[in-house]
Formats: sequence, structure tokens, C-alpha cells
Amino acid sequence: KAGVTQTPRYLIKTRGQQVTLSCSPISGHRSVSWYQQTPGQGLQFLFEYFSETQRNKGNFPGRFSGRQFSNSRSEMNVSTLELGDSALYLCASSLDRQTVGYTFGSGTRLTVV
Amino acid sequence: AQSVTQPDIHITVSEGASLELRCNYSYGATPYLFWYVQSPGQGLQLLLKYFSGDTLVQGIKGFEAEFKRSQSSFNLRKPSVHWSDAAEYFCAVGTNAGSSNTGKLIFGQGTTLQVKP
Repeated sequence: KAGVTQTPRYLIKTRGQQVTLSCSPISGHRSVSWYQQTPGQGLQFLFEYFSETQRNKGNFPGRFSGRQFSNSRSEMNVSTLELGDSALYLCASSLDRQTVGYTFGSGTRLTVV
Repeated sequence: AQSVTQPDIHITVSEGASLELRCNYSYGATPYLFWYVQSPGQGLQLLLKYFSGDTLVQGIKGFEAEFKRSQSSFNLRKPSVHWSDAAEYFCAVGTNAGSSNTGKLIFGQGTTLQVKP
């Protein structure tokens, strides 16, 4: 059974650009959450999608957005990149909103220069 | 406010020695608790989870954790550490709203484990 797949693994962008990251959850999983990991702030929740709807959102500016498709795959977008957006972005999937357990992908390492 | 505290930022143990990583949480309702491990440049791997029942939880790789409600703690233990256990360990609490999970985990700052040969 394939795990959570995140693409690309590494990304270098210039300040001011925008970026889109992709997450394919485990087959059958319908809930997808996104996290940002930085040395200074640690792991912080960005948002959760379930059944193509954003159900929960963390404390991040509007430049961070996401969506979920009918096959449960999710994308997150960051517009007008800032140097501080450099981080490891992790995606986690769960079967549904009643199941306790989240499986993480290997992440996308974003570097903003 | 909901929070997770891992008091030890860095721990060094000798291979074969026992290990205990501390985790304290603050959460109003019955918590869902997790321990994850992260190797450099990798994602998070779930070691074990607690959401109800027996307060002593067994996980993968020989790890166990004990939920103590009175102390708001969920400490991770292993009787004999292997060199391959060197990694960063994160404790997390899962939030819920009514009967649904919110998809949001609140993480501690992590404990880096170094294993001496």
C-alpha cells in the first residue's frame, strides 16, 4: 500500500514568486492536513481538507491557501513568497475525521532565495 | 490554551541503555496523544498513539508510552536503545470537536536523541 506522496521533494524559488505543492494521500484516505516545519517555529498546522472542503485553518496569512480534489489529492499554494517561507512542508492523511491516526509524507523542502 | 511541552531539547544515551523522553500537554478535553519520530530530511513516522483504554501503549520499534492524566504526561520509553534510534522525537496532541477530529495536531518542540556507541 503506497504511503503519502509529496511532490516535488525539493524546490528553490525566488522571493515574490508563487509555488504549488502537491500531496497524494494514502488510497482511501479522505482527510489531508498540511504542516510547516521550521527550526524556529517547529511544526505548525496550516489547514485541513476533507471532502474537498477546508475544515480547519491555522494561523497563517492569506498567502497560504490550498484545495482538495475529488480524488482526495491536495495542493497547497503560497503566493508572494518571502524568505521566511523557507521550510519543510509536510502533508498528513487520515482515513476520515473519526479515525485517530495521521500518516505523514516525506515533505517538500522549499527554499526561498 | 492547548499546548505540548517537551522539556528536554537534547538527550544523549549510551547504546543499550534505557530511554525516557518526557512530554506534558495542556488540553481541556480527553486528549488524543501521539509520538512521532523524524530522521534528518525525512517526514514523521508514527511510533504510537493513545486515544482511550489501557494507559500503557505499545508501539513500533520496541517503544512504549504511558498516559498519566493526573500528571498531564505521556512519556515515551524504551528499555534498550539502539544506534538506529538516533533521531528527533515529537510528542503531539490531536484536537477534536465533538465526535470529529479536526485534522490538527499540536506538536511539542521535539527532543533530539543522540546515541553513544
